[in-house]
Amino acid sequence: DIQMTQSPSSLSASVGDRVTITCRASQGISNYLAWYQQKPGKVPKLLIYAASTLQSGVPSRFSGSGSGTDFTLTISSLQPEDVATYYCQKYNSALVTFGQGTKVEIK
Amino acid sequence: EVQLVESGGGLVQPGGSLRLSCAASGFTFSSYDMHWVRQATGKGLEWVSAIGTAGDTYYPGSVKGRFTISRENAKNSLYLQMNSLRAGDTAVYYCARGLWFGESEMFDYWGQGTLVTVSS
Repeated sequence: DIQMTQSPSSLSASVGDRVTITCRASQGISNYLAWYQQKPGKVPKLLIYAASTLQSGVPSRFSGSGSGTDFTLTISSLQPEDVATYYCQKYNSALVTFGQGTKVEIK
Repeated sequence: EVQLVESGGGLVQPGGSLRLSCAASGFTFSSYDMHWVRQATGKGLEWVSAIGTAGDTYYPGSVKGRFTISRENAKNSLYLQMNSLRAGDTAVYYCARGLWFGESEMFDYWGQGTLVTVSS
């Protein structure tokens, strides 16, 4: 099975900072990667799919990049409402795997 | 408006069974793959099962042989039959709609979840 490893597991940054979260696949997955945001007590929300395509309605400060095994989610200017846990998710051969999550807090 | 509403969660003893349901509305249910995803308290997301539009089913090793996903398109409903439950199955169970983009699938709508607690 392909494993997904996110880093860091948590981070603390100031409002306005640029934040980068990394997701690494144990084998190449082309661009079959999505990112989700889960705010405390809420349901996960799709942010980005196909590694870099922004889901409708998601603020443009969110962006994704990568292909193969290494992917990044970037928040260009961190806002208070971005406090959440972020998960990557891969789809490959009908099997789905999530990364372990990255908790983002405001410093 | 797309809505997914789970039900059927509760307290069950180890080794017991439970059947979850997900009522879908606001979209053509039969045209979409559907999934179950779970989340233990304070933990990450874990994919549990998927069912395609043709009724094909998929499971990770952790639940294969114990869980069965099914759908009833006439009732816009998704089900998860869970047998031989273990303490490690304790979690909130979400149903989610699959969205295809090229050869990749992701989840664009999620229900609010139903809590399953496995304990004696």
